[in-house]
Amino acid sequence: EVQLVESGGGLVQPGGSLRLSCAASGFTFSSCEMNWVRQAPGRGLEWVSYINSIGTTTYYADSVKGRFTISRDNAKNSLYLQMNSLRAEDTAVYYCARPQDSQNYAFDIWGQGTMVTVSS
Amino acid sequence: DIQMTQSPSTLSASVGDRVTITCRASQSISSWLAWYQQKPGKAPKLLIYKASFLETGVPSRFSGSGSGTEFTLTISSLQPDDFATYYCQQYNSLWTFGQGTKVEIK
Repeated sequence: EVQLVESGGGLVQPGGSLRLSCAASGFTFSSCEMNWVRQAPGRGLEWVSYINSIGTTTYYADSVKGRFTISRDNAKNSLYLQMNSLRAEDTAVYYCARPQDSQNYAFDIWGQGTMVTVSS
Repeated sequence: DIQMTQSPSTLSASVGDRVTITCRASQSISSWLAWYQQKPGKAPKLLIYKASFLETGVPSRFSGSGSGTEFTLTISSLQPDDFATYYCQQYNSLWTFGQGTKVEIK
């Protein structure tokens, strides 16, 4: 079964750090580009970050640029999001998501999400 | 940055109704548009990609159309399982989602 499972969410104080993980199974992770998408409580979806299959190219939303770092370990079939200098507005459910393929970048596989709460 | 605007924000409809949701891009995105369905507490589910291609396993009552800057998602006959929030997403230049359309029971 093709699956993405996020972990690492929790409660953190403003200015703190957190590292999210996304474990992939059921497909050739090392061949796939990956993304993080977030959703604040009661709000819409916001794309956060992208990484190519070998980890050499990354993109970030302006709202997280300079604070968040996306990375991957293909040997462990895992995707990561290092979040530093966290703010209240970063509170959200964070999803990892896989694009269909290198020609079509709609997200066909999503994890169940992990909740990040930034509060004192 | 490309902005995506959906309308309406909320839609009240009955089972069996034909429902249409519109998504407008701030600049041309060719056909690089997807539609997702999301239910409370769940991850989004891909319905339509490349503006009009039905994702495998999605019922044929869902259809998409459009290109350039104007797109529509149509549900031909609304079913009880279809009450949810729908999002458009452009992937011509990075990724941007619309603000969502909640389809409610009338």
